[in-house]
Amino acid sequence: QSALTQPASVSGSPGQSITISCTGTSSDVGSYNLVSWYQQHPGKAPKLMIYEVSKRPSGVSNRFSGSKSGNTASLTISGLQAEDEADYYCCSYAGSSINWVFGGGTKLTVL
Amino acid sequence: EVQLVESGGGLVKPGRSLRLSCTASGFTFGDYAMSWFRQAPGKGLEWVGFIRSKAYGGTTEYAASVKGRFTISRDDSKSIAYLQMNSLKTEDTAVYYCTRVGIKAGCGGDCYSYFDYWGQGTLVTVSS
Repeated sequence: QSALTQPASVSGSPGQSITISCTGTSSDVGSYNLVSWYQQHPGKAPKLMIYEVSKRPSGVSNRFSGSKSGNTASLTISGLQAEDEADYYCCSYAGSSINWVFGGGTKLTVL
Repeated sequence: EVQLVESGGGLVKPGRSLRLSCTASGFTFGDYAMSWFRQAPGKGLEWVGFIRSKAYGGTTEYAASVKGRFTISRDDSKSIAYLQMNSLKTEDTAVYYCTRVGIKAGCGGDCYSYFDYWGQGTLVTVSS
């Protein structure tokens, strides 16, 4: 049982937009603007896509965006491309006794 | 180019120990906190622990699931982070990743925000 709740799967057609939700509590997502998102292709290491809720690292496409409302963070991918098909994980700081928690991951399928 | 390379994984019996290494290059290793994660087969990511830079005491934090059994250390002269795993259990079977830890801008230094570079991972299998 993961600390953060994500949908197991989402899908979309090329060119469409999709949003992946990440629901936590007032002790993690709701308390800190330290939500990050990671993309993982099969057999590969995770890659940082979004940090501090909505910031994009250098080199990450501006098709990826993040937001947060209350205890729920969201990752939106616009203009879906075949290479976006991957697993996506959200992560939040949860205070000094727990530190970092993850969602269970969402499998994105590009139809 | 930032690179992190894990090594030391393998097959080990329950109750035994194993030490993983993470060799870093492409950045000033001593300036950064480093973290370890794991991913059990077919499962999601789990934070294992991290070690601060020497500037912030080089102290460590651990997930409850490994606290007291795992120890993270670092050798800044060699740009290597270690994960010493003792009293291994079958549920510790996973791919283990090391990462560099990013600091929240404007925070002063000892507040960590994200994990920006990941190694390729090393598989640890705990089985009799």
